[in-house]
Amino acid sequence: AQSVTQLDSHVSVSEGTPVLLRCNYSSSYSPSLFWYVQHPNKGLQLLLKYTSAATLVKGINGFEAEFKKSETSFHLTKPSAHMSDAAEYFCVVSITGGFKTIFGAGTRLFVKA
Amino acid sequence: NAGVTQTPKFRVLKTGQSMTLLCAQDMNHEYMYWYRQDPGMGLRLIHYSVGEGTTAKGEVPDGYNVSRLKKQNFLLGLESAAPSQTSVYFCASSRPDNEQFFGPGTRLTVL
Repeated sequence: AQSVTQLDSHVSVSEGTPVLLRCNYSSSYSPSLFWYVQHPNKGLQLLLKYTSAATLVKGINGFEAEFKKSETSFHLTKPSAHMSDAAEYFCVVSITGGFKTIFGAGTRLFVKA
Repeated sequence: NAGVTQTPKFRVLKTGQSMTLLCAQDMNHEYMYWYRQDPGMGLRLIHYSVGEGTTAKGEVPDGYNVSRLKKQNFLLGLESAAPSQTSVYFCASSRPDNEQFFGPGTRLTVL
C-alpha cells in the first residue's frame, strides 16, 4: 500500500531564510515522487519529480529535493525564501503509470517580510 | 497551447440537481483524472481514464460518473448533487508514468 505524510501542515519562515518542507512516503514498489505547488485559487504546478535517476532533484524556482530510500523521505528545500514562495505544497507518490497517485495533505508555507 | 482547461469555473447547485463538468486537454495525453480538493485532505482521486472509451474508479467515486468519448475530453457528472459534494474539482492529464498537468479548477457549492 502507498501513503504520503507531510509532517507539517504549516511552515512559517522569514524572507531570505532557508525552507524545509518534510515528506515521508510508504510504497511497496519503486515509486515516482513529485512536489507540486498551488498558489491561492490556482491549479497545481509541478516543482520537481524523482523517477529513480539522481537522488538529488532540482526543480523550478530554486527548489530541490533529495530522495532518501533508507529514510523513506523526500524533503523539499530552498536556500532562500522569497515572498512569492508563499503557497501550498503537495508531496505526491505515484506508481503503475500514474493512476495510483496519492497526494499528501499539503503544507502551507508562509513567508514573512 | 492551452494545456488543461475546465468548464465552468464556478457553479452553485441545489441539492438534487445534476450537472456536468468538462475537462479538455490539447497535449494528446492518454491519461486523464478527476480529483476533488477539500481543506486538510489534499487531492483525492474520483475517477480516471487511461484512454478513449475507458474509465475506472478512484478513491472516492460514489455519487459521480465519468465519460471519455474523445481522447481530449473527460466529463465528470453529478446526477443528484449533495452538500457533501461541495468542493473544488481539478482535472489533470498525463502521459503514462509521467507528471500530471492540472487545470485551474472548478469551485462547486451545493446548497
